[in-house]
Amino acid sequence: DSGVTQTPKHLITATGQRVTLRCSPRSGDLSVYWYQQSLDQGLQFLIQYYNGEERAKGNILERFSAQQFPDLHSELNLSSLELGDSALYFCASSPAAGGASYEQYFGPGTRLTVT
Amino acid sequence: GESVGLHLPTLSVQEGDNSIINCAYSNSASDYFIWYKQESGKGPQFIIDIRSNMDKRQGQRVTVLLNKTVKHLSLQIAATQPGDSAVYFCAENSRFSGGYNKLIFGAGTRLAVHP
Repeated sequence: DSGVTQTPKHLITATGQRVTLRCSPRSGDLSVYWYQQSLDQGLQFLIQYYNGEERAKGNILERFSAQQFPDLHSELNLSSLELGDSALYFCASSPAAGGASYEQYFGPGTRLTVT
Repeated sequence: GESVGLHLPTLSVQEGDNSIINCAYSNSASDYFIWYKQESGKGPQFIIDIRSNMDKRQGQRVTVLLNKTVKHLSLQIAATQPGDSAVYFCAENSRFSGGYNKLIFGAGTRLAVHP
């Protein structure tokens, strides 16, 4: 158990809908990262937050957004969902923004299925 | 459980043999590398890391070798066990302008251990 929690574990929704995925980092970790993992691709970095502020952006679509709250949990919002958005979404956390420690601890993921 | 990366390269080994999983990284300026293990239905789990000022690091039954000349990373697993069956990802830490770092993941290799 990495200490990172994600809810829900599974999510099934229809095209055009909007969903919110939630992540609670390890106790004391300030950075949260979101990744998308499709069957035909590896882990694709989406976005990073550090202590409430956006720190880095990766291959995140404009239909997707995220935020990190004062208690450091994070939410990833996916809107106008398309079939191609079906994937595993992982959250990871780390103590810092990427200075001395780069290791990221991953949650169990949310399996999103868009029908 | 869920399958990850159905089209991943697969390494098949006999139980008790040593396994070597290879990874080519892209950025010669990357200063930190990690190997992750992902079992079916779970998030990636940290195995071992190595900084760019080292060329070898050993853990329990695992060894990581770094060859910066050819930008190559390998993970050696001694006395491979059925529980080692998983997808293995290498990740490199790259620095970007603005002072932030990003872990870039490789495509992954599936390790299948046969009795």
